[in-house]
Order: sequence, then structure tokens, then C-alpha cells
Amino acid sequence: GDSVTQMEGPVTLSEEAFLTINCTYTATGYPSLFWYVQYPGEGLQLLLKATKADDKGSNKGFEATYRKETTSFHLEKGSVQVSDSAVYFCALRKSRDDKIIFGKGTRLHILP
Amino acid sequence: EPEVTQTPSHQVTQMGQEVILRCVPISNHLYFYWYRQILGQKVEFLVSFYNNEISEKSEIFDDQFSVERPDGSNFTLKIRSTKLEDSAMYFCASSPTSGAPGAQYFGPGTRLLVL
Repeated sequence: GDSVTQMEGPVTLSEEAFLTINCTYTATGYPSLFWYVQYPGEGLQLLLKATKADDKGSNKGFEATYRKETTSFHLEKGSVQVSDSAVYFCALRKSRDDKIIFGKGTRLHILP
Repeated sequence: EPEVTQTPSHQVTQMGQEVILRCVPISNHLYFYWYRQILGQKVEFLVSFYNNEISEKSEIFDDQFSVERPDGSNFTLKIRSTKLEDSAMYFCASSPTSGAPGAQYFGPGTRLLVL
């Protein structure tokens, strides 16, 4: 079945370090891909999305590019801040009325 | 900016009791969803709802669960007889109908604790 696999956490980095969180997916057809973020004690917020191959989603300094050839959607940020500490979920959706399938989440800790 | 709202934010109940979790989706959205997240685990799909009926449900969504859209704004999840393993964060989500499969917009969640 369709699934999302993302790197295990926790990931601990120093402030201003470069961040990569790997995400790969398995799905038939052409899903849309998402990154959601969950800050401590809060709900799920959409961080960025890409709806077709080679699209780049970006928001708040985070970027991810939809790579169909490698079925990947890795999240990157050039310089992380303490406020980026959260759990990040990679996700996919196959059609406009379909459920979202989430990865297990990657907890990110940024040290000052 | 419109957002999905959920009430209550926290609910504590005794095993075997009924609970109703409430959600107000974004007003022009037509697809509605419930998900749950057991502490420290992944977010799992429960059920989707469109045009006043269930369009898909997961194996988690057994006969103890039901959903309803009692009026034009609310969307509820009922658990008839709660079990300890129902303790989780429950998220409501909604999405519009047009275009490519876009994002779903999530509410802040209801944390349910079954004792």
C-alpha cells in the first residue's frame, strides 16, 4: 500500500546549522506531498507542499523538492533556529478527497 | 485567516463512557476528516466524510465510532463506549474541493484521556 518513510529522530543540531530531514514515499499515481509541523503542545500545521514532480515547496526558510525519479521529498533549511524545534511529518495525498498518509515524524531539537 | 476549531481541548473520561468530540471545519470546505495520534506515535486516519456520508474509514473506525454533521457547521466524532486504548489526540481536518489534491487543514486537536 501507499506509505511514507522518514528518517528516525530525534535530530539534534546547533543553531544556524544546516538541516536535512529525509523523506521517501511509495504510492501509485501522482500524489501531492506535504510537510506538516507540530510544535510542542500544539496541533498540525501545514509547512509546505508540492503537487507535481519537480515542484519546490517553500515556507519560513524551509524547502523541499518533489523528486519523482527518487520518490523523495527531503526537507531542508539553511540555518535553523531554536524556534524550529518541533516534530516534522512528511505526508502524501493521492486525490483531492483522499486521506493524508503520514510518516512517523521526526523530532528536531535545536540547541542555542 | 479561517481555521478549523475543536472542542473541548482536553477531555478525561471513564472507561465505558460515551464521548463526543466537536469540530467546526473551515466554512467553504466540503471534505471532513478525523485522525488520531496516540502519544509519541504517528498520525493515523480514522474516517473521511463528504456529502453527508462516510466516504472512507480505516480499520480503527469500528462500530464504537460514529461521525455526524448535525448542522451546517459542526462535525462530530462519537465514541460510544471508550476503551483505555482510545486515549489519544484526535484531530479534525477539512479541505476544499477544487484543483489538485491540496492540503488538509487541521484543528488544534482534542486530547482524550480514558481512565
